[in-house]
Amino acid sequence: DIQMTQSPASLSASLGETVTIECRASEDIYSNLAWYQQKPGNSPQLLIYDANSLADGVPSRFSGSGSGTQYSLKINSLQSEDVASYFCQQYNNYPPWTFGGGTKLELK
Amino acid sequence: VQLVESGGGLVQPGKSLKLSCSASGFTFSSYGMHWIRQAPGKGLDWVAYISSSSGTVYADAVKGRFTISRDNAKNTLYLQLNSLKSEDTAIYYCARGGPLYTYYGYNVFDYWGQGVMVTVSS
Repeated sequence: DIQMTQSPASLSASLGETVTIECRASEDIYSNLAWYQQKPGNSPQLLIYDANSLADGVPSRFSGSGSGTQYSLKINSLQSEDVASYFCQQYNNYPPWTFGGGTKLELK
Repeated sequence: VQLVESGGGLVQPGKSLKLSCSASGFTFSSYGMHWIRQAPGKGLDWVAYISSSSGTVYADAVKGRFTISRDNAKNTLYLQLNSLKSEDTAIYYCARGGPLYTYYGYNVFDYWGQGVMVTVSS
C-alpha cells in the first residue's frame, strides 16, 4: 500500500496569510493526487484533483503543485472560511485508495 | 447531486448493521460508488468500492466482514457490516467516484454524503 504523510499535522495562521500544506507519498504517484477540505462538523469536499486542477467552484486562492512523491496545497490570502482540516489522497496504486493523516488549519 | 446515508447506530461487538445511501441528482447506475469512514477525531479510511457493473473491492481491514452492494432501480448504495469490532466505530460516508470521461475517473471522490455514525460497544 502507498503511505501518504502530511505535514504539518496542525497549523495556525492569520487572515490574509499564505499557507502551505505538504503531502509526501511513499513512492512515485505520478500526480495522481487529490486534496479534500473538511470544515468542522461537515463531510469532506473535493478541492483539487490531478495534483493541480481545481474542482468546480473552488476559489482561485487554492492551488496545488508537485510531482513524484512530493506535493503541496497552497492557500493564498487566508480567509476565515478556510478553517478546516485538509487531506491528500493518492489514486495511482489501488486498492486501497489512501489518504494522508490530515492537517488541521486554525486561525491565529 | 445529493447523497443521504442512513442506518447507523449503536451495536454490540460481533453484531451486524446495514447502512444505506440514497442518491439523487445524477444517473446513479453510471457511477462507481465508495464507502469511506472516519473514526472520531481521526483521518479518512477508504472501506469499499462498487463499480457501475457491481464489481467490488474492499480494504483488508473489512474484507470478509463487510459487503458493498447497490440497487440501481432504487438509486441506493448499501454497506452490510457483519462481525463488528470496536475499531469499526466511525462515521461512514458514501462518496461518488468521479465520471469515467475524466482522467481520474472513479478514483476521486467528487461528492460525499453527510455521513452516518456507527458505534460498536457493549
